[in-house]
Amino acid sequence: DIQMTQSPSSLSASVGDRVTITCRASQSITSYLNWYQQKPGKAPKLLIYGASSLQSGVPSRFSGSGSGTDFTLTISSLQPEDFATYYCQQSYSTPRTFGQGTKVEIK
Amino acid sequence: EVQLVQSGAEVKKPGESLKISCKVSGYSFTTYWIIWVRQMPGKGLEWMGRFDPSDSYTNYSPSFQGHVTMSADKSISTAFLQWSSLKASDTAMYYCARQYYTGSGSYPDYWGQGTLVTVSS
Repeated sequence: DIQMTQSPSSLSASVGDRVTITCRASQSITSYLNWYQQKPGKAPKLLIYGASSLQSGVPSRFSGSGSGTDFTLTISSLQPEDFATYYCQQSYSTPRTFGQGTKVEIK
Repeated sequence: EVQLVQSGAEVKKPGESLKISCKVSGYSFTTYWIIWVRQMPGKGLEWMGRFDPSDSYTNYSPSFQGHVTMSADKSISTAFLQWSSLKASDTAMYYCARQYYTGSGSYPDYWGQGTLVTVSS
């Protein structure tokens, strides 16, 4: 199985901050990387697919980059509704493993 | 409008069987795979496997192979996840989702609301 490692596991930030979350794969997954946002008690929501493609309806302050083994999710200006847990997932091979999550909290 | 509506919360005892459902609407059921994802209390997301409603082909994660069964009834556009003998460690929220495929990879674009399964003696 491909292991996905996110960092940090949690972070505190203020509204308006630029936030960066990193995801590393245990082997190359080319650009087959998705990012999700999950709020408490809710299903995950797709933000980014194919490492950098923004899902329809997702605000443009979210962006993704990377290829191979190293990927980044960036929120350019954190908004109150962005406080949540973020997960990366590889779609290169099965099982489609997730990272352990990054919780973004209010500073 | 694409919707995946899951069955309600369940409370079961260890050793009991269970079948939860995921009813889809707003698209042709056999066009897209259905995936299942587990989230144990306070933990992250785990990909359990995928099911192709067009031919019932299933691809399980090794972590779940042999412990759960994925199936569907095309006549009612509903996918199922079932256990023959539950364990306390099966206590979790279970999500179904539609798996969409593009040239940029595959991803679950629509999700059910989740079914909470509690297994306790």
